Amino acid sequence: EAGVAQSPRYKIIEKRQSVAFWCNPISGHATLYWYQQILGQGPKLLIQFQNNGVVDDSQLPKDRFSAERLKGVDSTLKIQPAKLEDSAVYLCASSLVGYQGSDGYTFGSGTRLTVV
Amino acid sequence: DQQVKQNSPSLSVQEGRISILNCDYTNSMFDYFLWYKKYPAEGPTFLISISSIKDKNEDGRFTVFLNKSAKHLSLHIVPSQPGDSAVYFCAASAADPIQGAQKLVFGQGTRLTINP
Repeated sequence: EAGVAQSPRYKIIEKRQSVAFWCNPISGHATLYWYQQILGQGPKLLIQFQNNGVVDDSQLPKDRFSAERLKGVDSTLKIQPAKLEDSAVYLCASSLVGYQGSDGYTFGSGTRLTVV
Repeated sequence: DQQVKQNSPSLSVQEGRISILNCDYTNSMFDYFLWYKKYPAEGPTFLISISSIKDKNEDGRFTVFLNKSAKHLSLHIVPSQPGDSAVYFCAASAADPIQGAQKLVFGQGTRLTINP
């Protein structure tokens, strides 16, 4: 089974520019998550989708971050405009519907964003 | 607030000896606890989990212990191998009281180094 695909792997942008990350989850996984991992910290949930509906976006900075999941498959996370503190690894993960917590999500390799 | 804490940023262990990684939590509603392992430039990979109704779960060289009264869990790796060198994240799962969806909360991570 193919894993969670993310692109690009690395991105360097100047502050106030915009950037977009793409994620393709494991086939059949209806739930998709975007996490932000700042260096030295654990991953923090930004947004959770079930199919193409948002389940939880309580920690998404909505003034600059947006995410969509068209057709309930691929997802895009956008930052506009970027700030220095957005420098982090952005991780996408997916799981089956009805995830009960015992077997974890499957994560992609992440996109490392550096804002200069 | 930091619901899941890993107070040791790093740990160094001799090959063949036991590695013990610790994690504390504050939310008594967590129903599963998980450990993830992360190599550089890769996403976290699920390692082992334990239900909140159990106190021990074993999988090969990895054993997780849960002490609910102390709100503490630990991961034991015996014997430790050089390939175990990675960052280990403790995570806890609970259903969101409003949304109903299960989600993971991560600790800050512990960098384990196994010395030959």
